[in-house]
Amino acid sequence: GAGVSQTPSNKVTEKGKYVELRCDPISGHTALYWYRQSLGQGPEFLIYFQGTGAADDSGLPNDRFFAVRPEGSVSTLKIQRTERGDSAVYLCASSPTSGKGTDTQYFGPGTRLTVL
Amino acid sequence: DAKTTQPTSMDCAEGRAANLPCNHSTISGNEYVYWYRQIHSQGPQYIIHGLKNNETNEMASLIITEDRKSSTLILPHATLRDTAVYYCIVRVDYGNKLVFGAGTILRVKS
Repeated sequence: GAGVSQTPSNKVTEKGKYVELRCDPISGHTALYWYRQSLGQGPEFLIYFQGTGAADDSGLPNDRFFAVRPEGSVSTLKIQRTERGDSAVYLCASSPTSGKGTDTQYFGPGTRLTVL
Repeated sequence: DAKTTQPTSMDCAEGRAANLPCNHSTISGNEYVYWYRQIHSQGPQYIIHGLKNNETNEMASLIITEDRKSSTLILPHATLRDTAVYYCIVRVDYGNKLVFGAGTILRVKS
């Protein structure tokens, strides 16, 4: 079956611009996660959705970052006033049920964001 | 979540077993050991997880010491396609996020 998909695969923008990154989770998965991965480092948690609501947004670095999941499926990560330090690969993952216990997270291929 | 320690890199000959160690000396009773890997330019891929007992699936085996302070991921017959960064993660049973360290770069060589 289809895995987690993310669009676009690459995004180049200029400092100060607004960007939106999209994640389509595996059909039926109720939990959705966003991570960010800088070069040479492991992924870093940003936010977790259970259904439509953000259950844990403790990883969002500041208020320029915001994410939504209005219908409990597709999610959009929004970054305002982008800075060069926002350049990274943004990864999305989904898991089947509550996100608790031993749910396996399935990752998408990521969106590589470059801020010039 | 408990912290994990892994070697920075390892080499393995193609066709041989790859044994990747992980130390998690502060692990608590409700924390699971997870392994993910990340092949270049791809998202992380789940491999296996366990609590106390050794586990085996089609990809790998996970050996957890009796005191649970360390574990070893075993790829029984490594291939060139197993070259990747391998992450050992300790996660509470009610947790949601995965906390990744730097992982181990495994290079499988012909």
